Amino acid sequence: DVKVTQSSRYLVKRTGEKVFLECVQDMDHENMFWYRQDPGLGLRLIYFSYDVKMKEKGDIPEGYSVSREKKERFSLILESASTNQTSMYLCASSRQGAIRNTIYFGEGSWLTVV
Amino acid sequence: SQQGEEDPQALSIQEGENATMNCSYKTSINNLQWYRQNSGRGLVHLILIRSNEREKHSGRLRVTLDTSKKSSSLLITASRAADTASYFCATGLNTGFQKLVFGTGTRLLVSP
Repeated sequence: DVKVTQSSRYLVKRTGEKVFLECVQDMDHENMFWYRQDPGLGLRLIYFSYDVKMKEKGDIPEGYSVSREKKERFSLILESASTNQTSMYLCASSRQGAIRNTIYFGEGSWLTVV
Repeated sequence: SQQGEEDPQALSIQEGENATMNCSYKTSINNLQWYRQNSGRGLVHLILIRSNEREKHSGRLRVTLDTSKKSSSLLITASRAADTASYFCATGLNTGFQKLVFGTGTRLLVSP
C-alpha cells in the first residue's frame, strides 16, 4: 500500500516562528502536493511538485515555501508563522502522467499558531 | 471560488438507508473523483469517473456524472455506521497537469 507519512500530527508554534512540515512517501511517486484544510473552505492547494527540485504554486502560496531535495520528501515551510496559518495541513502524492491518477494523502498535521 | 460544491453540507440517516450526495462544478473537467475523510484524518480515494463516463459502481458506491449539467452524485447504498465521514468531490481539470480541485464536502452521519 502507498504510504504518505507526515512527521508531525500536532504542532503548536508561536507567531513569527519558522515552521517545517515534513512529508515522505514510499511509492516512488513523482508528484507531491501540500494542501491546507479549513472548515467551510475545503482543501486548498498551496504548492505542488512534479519532480525533484521542481515546484509550482498552487492557489494559496502566500506565506509558504516548499523544498523537494529528494524524490520521496516534500517539505512545507512557513517562513514566519502567523495565526491565520492555524489549520490542518495535508500532504499527498501521486504518480506522474495521467491526470486520472489517484492522489494518496497523509494523515494530516494540525498546526496551531499562537 | 471552489470548483466543486457539495450538497447537502450535512446529512443524517439511519443504518440501512441510502445516502446521496451531490457535487456541482463550474468548468470543463477531465475526471471527477470522490474521496472520504474520517474525522481528523487524511483523505482516502473512493472512486474516479471519467468525463466520458455516465455511471460507475464500486461495491456499495454508485457515482453518476452529467457533464451537461456539470454535476455528479455519490450514492452509498445500505449505509453503515462506519460510513460516517466527510465526503469530498474533486474535479480533475484539463490543465495538462494533474491538479484536483476539491469541494467543501458533505458530512455524513449514519446512526445505528
